[in-house]
Amino acid sequence: DTGVSQDPRHKITKRGQNVTFRCDPISEHNRLYWYRQTLGQGPEFLTYFQNEAQLEKSRLLSDRFSAERPKGSFSTLEIQRTEQGDSAMYLCASSLMTAETQYFGPGTRLLVL
Amino acid sequence: RKEVEQDPGPFNVPEGATVAFNCTYSNSASQSFFWYRQDCRKEPKLLMSVYSSGNEDGRFTAQLNRASQYISLLIRDSKLSDSATYLCVVDYGGSQGNLIFGKGTKLSVKP
Repeated sequence: DTGVSQDPRHKITKRGQNVTFRCDPISEHNRLYWYRQTLGQGPEFLTYFQNEAQLEKSRLLSDRFSAERPKGSFSTLEIQRTEQGDSAMYLCASSLMTAETQYFGPGTRLLVL
Repeated sequence: RKEVEQDPGPFNVPEGATVAFNCTYSNSASQSFFWYRQDCRKEPKLLMSVYSSGNEDGRFTAQLNRASQYISLLIRDSKLSDSATYLCVVDYGGSQGNLIFGKGTKLSVKP
């Protein structure tokens, strides 16, 4: 499978715990995006990378959230001190630098109890 | 005003019906426009890009009116497999590349 992959697919955690999600983009894609989607809403942009550089962060990305893409390939999204409001689907997408079409991974569904 | 607004759903239609979805966007600097399809508990998948001249892909036709900041999607001869949520998507404008999604309109095609 050469699409975008995400791990884990599901995560249940207790409030206050830290969680980390991983995204592996399509191999030749330079851009990598993180989105969050809650029930009944469309995905909301969180942040994006061009190669290893994080170029844009949404106001939604509080200081408890951090994302990295150290070698310009896979990316991680960490949420510290999780809150119940963090419960959502976290989607990763990738695209070629010069193209607009973004391809989404299957998402990580987070439930904070 | 929300950045991307779509028709409220759900749309419940019989097989074979023609259904139209509408969408308006607020950022006049947006340059790229898309319709994505999202099945229940799955990731969004690109259905089609939308061009100023309008474009068609089989039973699907997309239109863009930049002056009115309006996008539409027409589905002809609906199939049961068309049941999904349809997301209107525009780029943020500029070179950022991040996309702004509407809330989506749910379509249910019944036999």
